[in-house]
Amino acid sequence: DAKTTQPPSMDCAEGRAANLPCNHSTISGNEYVYWYRQIHSQGPQYIIHGLKNNETNEMASLIITEDRKSSTLILPHATLRDTAVYYCIVRSPNQAGTALIFGKGTTLSVSS
Amino acid sequence: ETGVTQSPTHLIKTRGQQVTLRCSSQSGHNTVSWYQQALGQGPQFIFQYYREEENGRGNFPPRFSGLQFPNYSSELNVNALELDDSALYLCASSFIQGGHTGELFFGEGSRLTVL
Repeated sequence: DAKTTQPPSMDCAEGRAANLPCNHSTISGNEYVYWYRQIHSQGPQYIIHGLKNNETNEMASLIITEDRKSSTLILPHATLRDTAVYYCIVRSPNQAGTALIFGKGTTLSVSS
Repeated sequence: ETGVTQSPTHLIKTRGQQVTLRCSSQSGHNTVSWYQQALGQGPQFIFQYYREEENGRGNFPPRFSGLQFPNYSSELNVNALELDDSALYLCASSFIQGGHTGELFFGEGSRLTVL
């Protein structure tokens, strides 16, 4: 079973920030938080990951709470092309052979 | 573009047949994993190959098998196809070094329909 909880769906207006929450209250000390997204009929796309510090790249920002029990993915200026299912996953990269356990994710709908 | 390519993109088989799906991993990656995604569900882990050996497996029966070749490309074989095997099959490549696995990069998938 997935170790994360996400809302099933969210809406966002184009140009506004999309803030996608994720709860991972049972996260272990060596587990990272990963975010992937899947645009309809395509393979999942890696977005960002982090351990405990906030992270930012060209696609998004990841804010992890101090107790690491929850996080938020921020798309600063959402576009129509950001409409996708967003998956929050916890995983230890130091365990070879461990899988990404996908839940049902959050379907983000960006509208004009 | 992730550099992970899968073939074929679509195929139709009948119940009881066998199917082979192929994956070329991203340049520099040494690990391949396979996922099954049924309609409306998240991807489910099938297995992972590293250095041509299976080093992790999900809850899938033995009729799901795989290979990894010296050039790190991979095949997924499914025998005795069942209707429930209809799904999008995703291949992902990554790089393992010193016990640390990097991010997974996925291909666009092979959509299998079993009639």
